[in-house]
Amino acid sequence: GQSLEQPSEVTAVEGAIVQINCTYQTSGFYGLSWYQQHDGGAPTFLSYNALDGLEETGRFSSFLSRSDSYGYLLLQELQMKDSASYFCAVRSGGSQGNLIFGKGTKLSVKP
Amino acid sequence: NAGVTQTPKFQVLKTGQSMTLQCAQDMNHEYMSWYRQDPGMGLRLIHYSVGAGITDQGEVPNGYNVSRSTTEDFPLRLLSAAPSQTSVYFCASSSPTGMNTEAFFGQGTRLTVV
Repeated sequence: GQSLEQPSEVTAVEGAIVQINCTYQTSGFYGLSWYQQHDGGAPTFLSYNALDGLEETGRFSSFLSRSDSYGYLLLQELQMKDSASYFCAVRSGGSQGNLIFGKGTKLSVKP
Repeated sequence: NAGVTQTPKFQVLKTGQSMTLQCAQDMNHEYMSWYRQDPGMGLRLIHYSVGAGITDQGEVPNGYNVSRSTTEDFPLRLLSAAPSQTSVYFCASSSPTGMNTEAFFGQGTRLTVV
């Protein structure tokens, strides 16, 4: 089967840096994705790592270590609008299209 | 460009009723999927389709049917609604292969079964 583990909640202050970790177990692996979801909204894509290393997109970075089945999302210069839930997800299994999600990390950014 | 469109946005059903959640995408994506989201459970895959005429089960398929007669549409049917199916349902689409496999989500259908 497939499983992803990530912390359920994280709290940080404006301007700080926060790291959300994700460990996964899958049969077959094509890459690790991160999605953001604000309360009442739909998930939106943040980043995708197919290979080991760091991918940077503005204030957000994502890291993957395939040998450790581990990745993280790094959010810098936190803003109040970053308060949301963050999901890691893997594409795996028989169809490359299947996205399997973790249970999500609720990030609260305090003033 | 509309992206992924889900209807309805809200629905209340009585136990035993049936209904169809509609999902349409205009990005010519081969891959479409349905998820349900419950508090503390993340998004769980119900059914998916890798192209017109092809569907398969995800993690939690019981109580749901799907069909894919066109590339654009992927409806989800609840044959006999149960309170356990109270949830938020999301439809998603993506290109199926390699590279930047971003999934695009509809705005969700909030379903309550009483």
